[in-house]
Amino acid sequence: SQKIEQNSEALNIQEGKTATLTCNYTNYSPAYLQWYRQDPGRGPVFLLLIRENEKEKRKERLKVTFDTTLKQSLFHITASQPADSATYLCALAALSGGSYIPTFGRGTSLIVHP
Amino acid sequence: KAGVTQTPRYLIKTRGQQVTLSCSPISGHRSVSWYQQTPGQGLQFLFEYFSETQRNKGNFPGRFSGRQFSNSRSEMNVSTLELGDSALYLCASSLTSGGYNEQFFGPGTRLTVL
Repeated sequence: SQKIEQNSEALNIQEGKTATLTCNYTNYSPAYLQWYRQDPGRGPVFLLLIRENEKEKRKERLKVTFDTTLKQSLFHITASQPADSATYLCALAALSGGSYIPTFGRGTSLIVHP
Repeated sequence: KAGVTQTPRYLIKTRGQQVTLSCSPISGHRSVSWYQQTPGQGLQFLFEYFSETQRNKGNFPGRFSGRQFSNSRSEMNVSTLELGDSALYLCASSLTSGGYNEQFFGPGTRLTVL
Protein backbone atom coordinates (compact mmCIF):
# COMPACT_ATOMS: atom_id res chain seq x y z
CA SER A 1 0.00 0.00 0.00
CA GLN A 2 1.04 3.61 -0.47
CA LYS A 3 2.66 5.27 2.50
CA ILE A 4 4.11 8.66 3.31
CA GLU A 5 6.18 8.74 6.47
CA GLN A 6 7.30 11.73 8.44
CA ASN A 7 8.94 11.47 11.83
CA SER A 8 6.15 11.61 14.39
CA GLU A 9 8.55 12.67 17.13
CA ALA A 10 9.11 16.38 17.53
CA LEU A 11 12.45 17.72 16.41
CA ASN A 12 14.04 19.96 19.03
CA ILE A 13 16.95 22.13 17.95
CA GLN A 14 18.82 25.17 19.16
CA GLU A 15 18.38 28.55 17.51
CA GLY A 16 20.89 29.14 14.73
CA LYS A 17 21.28 25.46 13.86
CA THR A 18 20.04 23.76 10.71
CA ALA A 19 16.82 21.78 11.04
CA THR A 20 16.43 18.76 8.75
CA LEU A 21 13.08 17.08 8.33
CA THR A 22 12.51 13.85 6.43
CA CYS A 23 9.70 12.62 4.21
CA ASN A 24 9.86 9.01 3.02
CA TYR A 25 7.39 7.35 0.73
CA THR A 26 6.65 3.90 -0.66
CA ASN A 27 4.61 2.68 -3.63
CA TYR A 28 4.30 6.15 -5.12
CA SER A 29 5.50 7.65 -8.35
CA PRO A 30 4.95 11.29 -7.50
CA ALA A 31 5.10 13.93 -10.16
CA TYR A 32 6.04 16.49 -7.55
CA LEU A 33 6.36 17.00 -3.83
CA GLN A 34 5.39 19.99 -1.72
CA TRP A 35 6.26 21.17 1.76
CA TYR A 36 3.84 23.11 3.93
CA ARG A 37 4.03 24.76 7.31
CA GLN A 38 1.11 24.56 9.71
CA ASP A 39 0.70 26.51 12.93
CA PRO A 40 -1.77 25.39 15.62
CA GLY A 41 -5.37 26.17 14.71
CA ARG A 42 -4.49 27.40 11.23
CA GLY A 43 -4.47 26.02 7.73
CA PRO A 44 -1.22 24.85 6.09
CA VAL A 45 0.89 27.42 4.27
CA PHE A 46 2.72 26.44 1.09
CA LEU A 47 6.51 26.70 1.27
CA LEU A 48 8.17 24.91 -1.64
CA LEU A 49 7.40 22.62 -4.55
CA ILE A 50 9.95 20.33 -6.20
CA ARG A 51 9.33 18.30 -9.33
CA GLU A 52 10.35 14.70 -9.93
CA ASN A 53 13.13 15.72 -12.29
CA GLU A 54 14.61 18.25 -9.87
CA LYS A 55 17.18 17.32 -7.25
CA GLU A 56 17.16 20.45 -5.14
CA LYS A 57 15.20 23.65 -4.63
CA ARG A 58 16.04 26.67 -2.50
CA LYS A 59 14.11 29.62 -1.17
CA GLU A 60 15.79 31.98 1.27
CA ARG A 61 16.70 29.85 4.32
CA LEU A 62 14.80 26.82 3.02
CA LYS A 63 16.17 23.96 0.94
CA VAL A 64 14.40 20.86 -0.32
CA THR A 65 15.96 17.79 -1.90
CA PHE A 66 14.10 15.07 -3.74
CA ASP A 67 15.64 11.64 -4.34
CA THR A 68 13.27 9.45 -6.35
CA THR A 69 15.67 6.50 -6.08
CA LEU A 70 15.72 6.60 -2.29
CA LYS A 71 12.07 7.71 -2.31
CA GLN A 72 12.90 10.48 0.08
CA SER A 73 12.73 14.24 0.43
CA LEU A 74 14.72 16.25 2.93
CA PHE A 75 13.62 19.70 4.07
CA HIS A 76 16.26 21.97 5.58
CA ILE A 77 15.86 25.24 7.45
CA THR A 78 19.20 26.95 7.95
CA ALA A 79 19.89 29.46 10.73
CA SER A 80 16.68 28.36 12.42
CA GLN A 81 14.73 30.79 14.60
CA PRO A 82 12.10 30.26 17.32
CA ALA A 83 9.55 31.66 14.84
CA ASP A 84 10.21 28.60 12.66
CA SER A 85 8.58 26.42 15.33
CA ALA A 86 5.59 24.76 13.68
CA THR A 87 4.47 21.49 12.13
CA TYR A 88 5.85 20.80 8.67
CA LEU A 89 3.91 18.65 6.24
CA CYS A 90 5.09 17.03 3.05
CA ALA A 91 2.62 16.26 0.29
CA LEU A 92 3.15 14.02 -2.72
CA ALA A 93 1.15 14.55 -5.87
CA ALA A 94 0.48 11.70 -8.23
CA LEU A 95 -1.71 11.70 -11.30
CA SER A 96 -5.25 10.56 -10.58
CA GLY A 97 -8.16 10.95 -12.95
CA GLY A 98 -6.39 13.59 -14.97
CA SER A 99 -5.45 15.72 -11.96
CA TYR A 100 -2.62 15.73 -9.49
CA ILE A 101 -4.04 14.95 -6.08
CA PRO A 102 -1.74 15.75 -3.16
CA THR A 103 -1.50 13.17 -0.39
CA PHE A 104 -0.16 14.53 2.86
CA GLY A 105 2.11 13.05 5.47
CA ARG A 106 1.12 13.53 9.10
CA GLY A 107 3.77 16.13 9.66
CA THR A 108 6.72 16.64 11.96
CA SER A 109 6.69 19.19 14.74
CA LEU A 110 9.76 21.43 14.87
CA ILE A 111 10.63 23.25 18.07
CA VAL A 112 13.42 25.80 17.93
CA HIS A 113 14.76 26.79 21.33
CA PRO A 114 16.22 30.27 21.90
CA LYS B 1 -5.76 40.34 -1.99
CA ALA B 2 -8.04 38.64 0.53
CA GLY B 3 -7.18 35.07 1.46
CA VAL B 4 -9.38 32.00 1.52
CA THR B 5 -12.26 32.39 3.94
CA GLN B 6 -14.29 29.65 5.56
CA THR B 7 -17.50 29.89 7.51
CA PRO B 8 -18.37 29.08 10.15
CA ARG B 9 -15.10 28.73 12.04
CA TYR B 10 -16.58 26.51 14.72
CA LEU B 11 -19.60 24.24 14.71
CA ILE B 12 -21.12 21.82 17.18
CA LYS B 13 -23.64 19.27 15.96
CA THR B 14 -25.16 16.05 17.24
CA ARG B 15 -25.08 12.63 15.63
CA GLY B 16 -27.53 12.20 12.80
CA GLN B 17 -27.68 15.88 11.90
CA GLN B 18 -26.33 17.34 8.70
CA VAL B 19 -23.97 20.26 8.23
CA THR B 20 -22.99 22.64 5.42
CA LEU B 21 -19.63 24.38 5.37
CA SER B 22 -18.75 27.27 3.11
CA CYS B 23 -15.52 28.31 1.41
CA SER B 24 -14.74 31.48 -0.55
CA PRO B 25 -11.56 31.13 -2.61
CA ILE B 26 -9.05 33.82 -3.43
CA SER B 27 -10.39 36.10 -6.15
CA GLY B 28 -9.53 34.65 -9.55
CA HIS B 29 -8.96 31.13 -8.27
CA ARG B 30 -11.21 28.61 -9.94
CA SER B 31 -10.20 25.42 -8.15
CA VAL B 32 -11.37 24.58 -4.65
CA SER B 33 -10.32 21.45 -2.78
CA TRP B 34 -11.61 20.19 0.53
CA TYR B 35 -9.67 18.27 3.17
CA GLN B 36 -10.43 16.65 6.49
CA GLN B 37 -7.76 16.85 9.19
CA THR B 38 -7.81 14.67 12.30
CA PRO B 39 -5.04 13.78 14.75
CA GLY B 40 -5.33 10.11 13.83
CA GLN B 41 -5.46 10.30 10.03
CA GLY B 42 -3.78 13.59 9.27
CA LEU B 43 -4.85 15.67 6.30
CA GLN B 44 -7.02 13.70 3.87
CA PHE B 45 -8.33 14.81 0.49
CA LEU B 46 -12.11 14.92 0.16
CA PHE B 47 -12.76 16.36 -3.30
CA GLU B 48 -11.82 19.05 -5.77
CA TYR B 49 -14.07 21.33 -7.77
CA PHE B 50 -13.13 23.34 -10.82
CA SER B 51 -15.54 25.43 -12.86
CA GLU B 52 -18.51 23.97 -10.98
CA THR B 53 -17.47 20.39 -11.79
CA GLN B 54 -16.12 17.81 -9.40
CA ARG B 55 -12.71 16.87 -10.75
CA ASN B 56 -11.60 14.33 -8.18
CA LYS B 57 -12.92 12.60 -5.13
CA GLY B 58 -11.09 11.03 -2.22
CA ASN B 59 -11.97 7.86 -0.38
CA PHE B 60 -14.87 9.11 1.73
CA PRO B 61 -18.44 7.80 1.98
CA GLY B 62 -21.27 9.33 -0.01
CA ARG B 63 -22.41 11.25 3.09
CA PHE B 64 -19.74 13.77 2.13
CA SER B 65 -20.72 15.88 -0.85
CA GLY B 66 -19.90 19.25 -2.27
CA ARG B 67 -20.64 21.77 -4.95
CA GLN B 68 -19.18 24.84 -6.50
CA PHE B 69 -21.00 27.92 -7.68
CA SER B 70 -20.38 30.06 -10.72
CA ASN B 71 -18.44 32.57 -8.60
CA SER B 72 -16.12 29.70 -7.50
CA ARG B 73 -17.42 29.69 -3.96
CA SER B 74 -17.85 26.16 -2.69
CA GLU B 75 -19.86 24.34 -0.09
CA MET B 76 -19.46 20.91 1.38
CA ASN B 77 -22.20 18.98 3.07
CA VAL B 78 -22.02 16.10 5.49
CA SER B 79 -25.25 14.23 6.13
CA THR B 80 -26.11 11.86 8.97
CA LEU B 81 -23.18 13.01 11.08
CA GLU B 82 -21.15 10.46 13.03
CA LEU B 83 -18.86 11.00 15.99
CA GLY B 84 -15.89 10.21 13.76
CA ASP B 85 -16.70 13.19 11.55
CA SER B 86 -15.36 15.51 14.24
CA ALA B 87 -12.41 17.18 12.55
CA LEU B 88 -10.94 20.33 11.13
CA TYR B 89 -12.28 20.82 7.61
CA LEU B 90 -9.99 22.82 5.38
CA CYS B 91 -10.56 24.19 1.96
CA ALA B 92 -7.80 25.25 -0.38
CA SER B 93 -7.97 27.28 -3.55
CA SER B 94 -5.65 27.41 -6.54
CA LEU B 95 -5.63 29.16 -9.89
CA THR B 96 -6.29 26.09 -11.98
CA SER B 97 -6.98 22.40 -11.54
CA GLY B 98 -4.23 19.84 -11.53
CA GLY B 99 -0.68 20.55 -12.50
CA TYR B 100 1.91 22.17 -10.35
CA ASN B 101 -0.35 24.48 -8.44
CA GLU B 102 0.30 26.16 -5.16
CA GLN B 103 -2.68 25.68 -2.89
CA PHE B 104 -3.80 28.41 -0.51
CA PHE B 105 -5.56 27.07 2.55
CA GLY B 106 -8.26 28.72 4.59
CA PRO B 107 -8.27 28.72 8.40
CA GLY B 108 -10.64 25.76 8.54
CA THR B 109 -13.95 24.94 10.18
CA ARG B 110 -13.67 23.01 13.44
CA LEU B 111 -16.62 20.58 13.53
CA THR B 112 -17.47 18.78 16.75
CA VAL B 113 -20.07 16.03 16.66
CA LEU B 114 -21.60 15.08 20.00
